[in-house]
Amino acid sequence: ETGVTQTPRHLVMGMTNKKSLKCEQHLGHNAMYWYKQSAKKPLELMFVYSLEERVENNSVPSRFSPECPNSSHLFLHLHTLQPEDSALYLCASSQDDSWYFGPGTRLLVL
Amino acid sequence: KQEVTQIPAALSVPEGENLVLNCSFTDSAIYNLQWFRQDPGKGLTSLLLIQSSQREQTSGRLNASLDKSSGRSTLYIAASQPGDSATYLCAVRENSGNTPLVFGKGTRLSVIA
Repeated sequence: ETGVTQTPRHLVMGMTNKKSLKCEQHLGHNAMYWYKQSAKKPLELMFVYSLEERVENNSVPSRFSPECPNSSHLFLHLHTLQPEDSALYLCASSQDDSWYFGPGTRLLVL
Repeated sequence: KQEVTQIPAALSVPEGENLVLNCSFTDSAIYNLQWFRQDPGKGLTSLLLIQSSQREQTSGRLNASLDKSSGRSTLYIAASQPGDSATYLCAVRENSGNTPLVFGKGTRLSVIA
């Protein structure tokens, strides 16, 4: 099993709900990422944090809000999502060439 | 903007066959290339990492090659087994440090017993 954990593993939410995804790594990595994986599309980078500072935001809608309180934890806060936001959300951590991915949160927006 | 393409999108083979998965990328100025495996409902597991200065890497029945100048990589799987059934993803990194990976859509492999 990988050194990156994600909770919850599955989430169903309405468009007016607010929820948060959590990611945790204890590998000592200094960078963490959120990727979105939709059917028939490549993994799409959403956010990158390096040393707890956000260094990249790939023009993600403001209904997704990341938070990195420390080097081991990463959150993705969700509010007023759309059905097209339904996807698998993967968290990853890296240090140099070592990459680990979490199992993902399968999100369904109704 | 870097784009990664993987062919075929899906592949079904009988057990024991050798097979090749293809990956191409549009900008040859990469730092390294990595092949991952993803099982249904799970995250990605790194299989092989090739630095831009290398031509190939091997791990067990897997061999990955890199032709950086032509923007191509192949993943060769020898003597395939049903346990190899998964989606295989190719990803490139354009710089060192914490530069993110750019992924292809993957090849979904089924090995039939």
